[in-house]
Amino acid sequence: GAVVSQHPSRVICKSGTSVKIECRSLDFQATTMFWYRQFPKQSLMLMATSNEGSKATYEQGVEKDKFLINHASLTLSTLTVTSAHPEDSSFYICSATVINEQFFGPGTRLTVL
Amino acid sequence: GIQVEQSPPDLILQEGANSTLRCNFSDSVNNLQWFHQNPWGQLINLFYIPSGTKQNGRLSATTVATERYSLLYISSSQTTDSGVYFCAASTGANSKLTFGKGITLSVRP
Repeated sequence: GAVVSQHPSRVICKSGTSVKIECRSLDFQATTMFWYRQFPKQSLMLMATSNEGSKATYEQGVEKDKFLINHASLTLSTLTVTSAHPEDSSFYICSATVINEQFFGPGTRLTVL
Repeated sequence: GIQVEQSPPDLILQEGANSTLRCNFSDSVNNLQWFHQNPWGQLINLFYIPSGTKQNGRLSATTVATERYSLLYISSSQTTDSGVYFCAASTGANSKLTFGKGITLSVRP
């Protein structure tokens, strides 16, 4: 199957700082990538769809100014959590589609102190 | 949007037992996937199965699209099968997956 990587795997930051998470498709090109968030013991919730060369589309209730998405190349999408607060602490996972099947990165665990 | 429901929410098995995990969805789908989330959070693709039946070793899955459900079968369960199993589905052309709440499987030695 297709391989998706994420970096970093874990990050701890102070409240008020910004954190950037990278998502890469390693062996294929992805014009579209997806960003999900998962709280402990809960399911995955789609945050936004990242489109190469154009603006991301955000799900209802997700603040676009809080979660900045950039998809500058066919193999890289980045999610920046701006002015992070403790309530932003979560597990962030990206995915990309290959012929309609989605493959997921290993996730990034964000802890905001 | 599409609703995805999984049952049962929790399942405890003795090693060697068989099990069936169910996923109901509320609309016609063009994508239906089963995943196993390991203890480190990685989602492992088990099946891409918008319709029909597939088998991979001890695992098999069946999706009956006309009746809007999918089943994941685990035979001769092992302790390494423990974890959370998610079903996710999408409709239309945008490929956005909606996840069920997951089924937590515990296989005891």
